[in-house]
Amino acid sequence: ELKVEQNPLFLSMQEGKNYTIYCNYSTTSDRLYWYRQDPGKSLESLFVLLSNGAVKQEGRLMASLDTKARLSTLHITAAVHDLSATYFCAGLYSGGGADGLTFGKGTHLIIQP
Amino acid sequence: DAGVTQSPTHLIKTRGQQVTLRCSPISGHKSVSWYQQVLGQGPQFIFQYYEKEERGRGNFPDRFSARQFPNYSSELNVNALLLGDSALYLCASSLAGRGVNEQFFGPGTRLTVL
Repeated sequence: ELKVEQNPLFLSMQEGKNYTIYCNYSTTSDRLYWYRQDPGKSLESLFVLLSNGAVKQEGRLMASLDTKARLSTLHITAAVHDLSATYFCAGLYSGGGADGLTFGKGTHLIIQP
Repeated sequence: DAGVTQSPTHLIKTRGQQVTLRCSPISGHKSVSWYQQVLGQGPQFIFQYYEKEERGRGNFPDRFSARQFPNYSSELNVNALLLGDSALYLCASSLAGRGVNEQFFGPGTRLTVL
């Protein structure tokens, strides 16, 4: 059974600073997803990481995947208030032939001016 | 292009009742997955349907059931509601049942069980 752990679960940071959210997973999951969720809203897809060493960047966010370490990171560069949200990583659970995603508990990110 | 749509947006039920939630996938998508998100937690996988057949299910009791229709829309049914069933229910659609298929999430249905 795939398990996904994120840390930290809560992060308060100032605008302009850099920080990294970590996502560890327990068994083979060579697809790793990052989602953003605003309060009361649904999930917005940020990145899909498919292979070892994959790195993707969009604006101030950069995600990477190390399948050997079973680790994905989401790096925030020069944070701005608009990035305040909850960020989830999710691995692919293929048990029983389904493509159900296994999510971490989420990182609640607050960026203060 | 219309994204994933879900109805209703909000729903209030009492314990023991039954509820049906509906989802329409993105046009051209043949797979629908359902997730339950309890407040403060990440979503948990309930079911996946592809081409009208159940492809898999997560660790949920038999009170939870679903089906997919010929137009690929889907319904999630929950019987004998418990207080713990209060959650945001998310539907996600993807192009096909397996492989590298990104899942796109709908706005969700907020279910409150009193």
